[in-house]
Parts: sequence; C-alpha cells; structure tokens
Amino acid sequence: QVQLQESGPGLVKPSGTLSLTCAVSGGSISSSNWWGWVRQPPGKGLEWIGEIYHSGSTSYNPSLKSRVTISVDKSKNQFSLNLSSVTAADTAVYYCARSRAGIEDWGQGTLVTVSS
Amino acid sequence: EIVLTQSPGTLSLSPGERATLSCRASQSVSSSYLAWHQQKPGQAPRLLIYGASSRATGIPDRFSGSGSGTDFTLTISRLEPEDFAVYYCQQYGSSPLTFGGGTKVEIK
Repeated sequence: QVQLQESGPGLVKPSGTLSLTCAVSGGSISSSNWWGWVRQPPGKGLEWIGEIYHSGSTSYNPSLKSRVTISVDKSKNQFSLNLSSVTAADTAVYYCARSRAGIEDWGQGTLVTVSS
Repeated sequence: EIVLTQSPGTLSLSPGERATLSCRASQSVSSSYLAWHQQKPGQAPRLLIYGASSRATGIPDRFSGSGSGTDFTLTISRLEPEDFAVYYCQQYGSSPLTFGGGTKVEIK
C-alpha cells in the first residue's frame, strides 16, 4: 500500500506562498495514478485543490486555479503544491492524496496557518 | 461543478442500530463515480466505498453503498463503536472533484 507524507512550513505570512511537498513511499509516482491535494479548514469540510499525473498533466479547482501550481519530481518520488497570495482563509489542514478510482490513499495531513 | 448535498447533517443512533446516509448530486454523476470516506477526529479521511457500491480493501461488509445518477446511499447495517465519525461523499466523474458537506454519526 502506498504511503504519503506531507511536509512544509506550518506558518505562512499573508500574501506569501504556501509550499508543501508530499513524499510517496511503497510505490512509484510514475504509476497509473493521479496525485493531488485536498484541504480542510478547521471545523469545516473537504475541498479538492487539484491533481497531477506523472506525465505532468494537471487539473485544478477553478476556485483556486489562478493561485495554484502542482508539480511532480520523479527523481525524488514526490509531488508539490504551491499556493500563492495566501490569506487567513487559506488556513487549513492540507492532505496529499493518491487517486485512481476516487481518492484511495490519504496522507496524514499537515496544518498550515496563515498569520503575520 | 457538481454540488453534492448530504443529509441528514447529524444522525444520532445507538450501537447496533442501522445507519442510512444520503448524498444527492445536482446533476448526474458520470459512471457512478461516487465514493464515500470516513473521518474520525484528528485523523485523515479513509476511503470506504468507490464506484458507488464497491468496498475498498479491508472495509467490513457492514458498510454498503448503493445508488446511481443523482441519488446515492451509504448504509451501515449495525453500528459498531468505532463507526461513530463523519462521512463524506465525493464525486470523481467530472472536474472539479467535489465533496458533500458531511454527515456526522454520533452516539445517541
């Protein structure tokens, strides 16, 4: 079974860029899966951010598309999320995920707080 | 964008009882690409059901999914203490992928 582990700063300043990485173990990022990100503001529901295939093909949530970039690093078997121009509304637990028939595997999640 | 509406918002039941959770889509979900996830406090979600009715690996058979088109149901036949959690439906038939608002199953 694939394991996913998020890493990155837990605190980001307003107007800055949120950057997270997801390390994939127990499987290759070049396999037939989509690799994506989902977030959950404290006490609220789940929001899909976007995903990437190992070929580099991406799909983003239109509500965030102008600020989001997801990339893949095959040499390190990991993928990354960049979210620019963040505000307090971007404070959330960010999960990385593997999708094939829907989201099949989730990372444990990492809390990112946007505050000065 | 497909909007998923889950009902009820909260379900108060006792262990051993049957739970029936509803997920209604604003438009037809392509090829029944509908999943259910369970989330316990402080934990990541976990996939229970995909393709509307297929159980994920290791999921007990007391969990079952049904439905097609715009109406889907998750049924827990007999609630175990570990089943009290929040349940989300998710469609992956069209982009953007979307989630329902969740149903909390709490102990009565």
